[in-house]
Amino acid sequence: DIVLTQSPASLAVSLGQRATISCKASQSVDYDGDSYMNWYQQKPGQPPKLLIYAASNLESGIPARFSGSGSGTDFTLNIHPVEEEDAATYYCQQSNEDPYTFGGGTKLEIK
Amino acid sequence: EVMLVESGGGLVKPGGSLKLSCAASGFTFSSYAMSWVRQTPEKRLEWVATISSGGSYTYYPDSVKGRFTISRDNAKNTLYLQMSSLRSEDTAMYYCARQGYGSSYYFDYWGQGTTLTVSS
Repeated sequence: DIVLTQSPASLAVSLGQRATISCKASQSVDYDGDSYMNWYQQKPGQPPKLLIYAASNLESGIPARFSGSGSGTDFTLNIHPVEEEDAATYYCQQSNEDPYTFGGGTKLEIK
Repeated sequence: EVMLVESGGGLVKPGGSLKLSCAASGFTFSSYAMSWVRQTPEKRLEWVATISSGGSYTYYPDSVKGRFTISRDNAKNTLYLQMSSLRSEDTAMYYCARQGYGSSYYFDYWGQGTTLTVSS
């Protein structure tokens, strides 16, 4: 199985600053020029919400302050400028190989 | 508006069985692959099963293969998950999710979830 390691496990970022979350895969999640890596946001009591798909594509309706980058085994989610409503847990997920797997999550606190 | 509404969760003894349902609306259900994803009490997310749009193909991780069966009724816009030989480690919130594709497979809509507790 592909193991996704997120770092940090938690971070506190001041309002208006940048939050950067890393996701490292135990093997490449690229195939035929595409990166099968997605990012989700989850707030307490709610299901996960898709933010980014295929590493860098912004899901419809998601604010442009969210961005994703990376390829192969190293991926990053950036949020800039951070707003209060961005307080949540963020998960990466790979769909290049069965079984689909998720990272352990990164909890973002807004200072 | 896309809506996914799960039902059927509850308290089950180890070794027992349960069937979850997910009623879909707001999109052409028969055009999309559908999945179940669970979240453990420790907040870990785990993919549980996927079924193709027509229902001919199903996929499972080893952790549930042979115990769980995903199915769908496209005439009723409903997704199911039949679970048997339940274990304590199956305790989780179970989400129904629509699977999209655009240079990656992803879960673009999720229901609110239904809770399964496996305990004696």
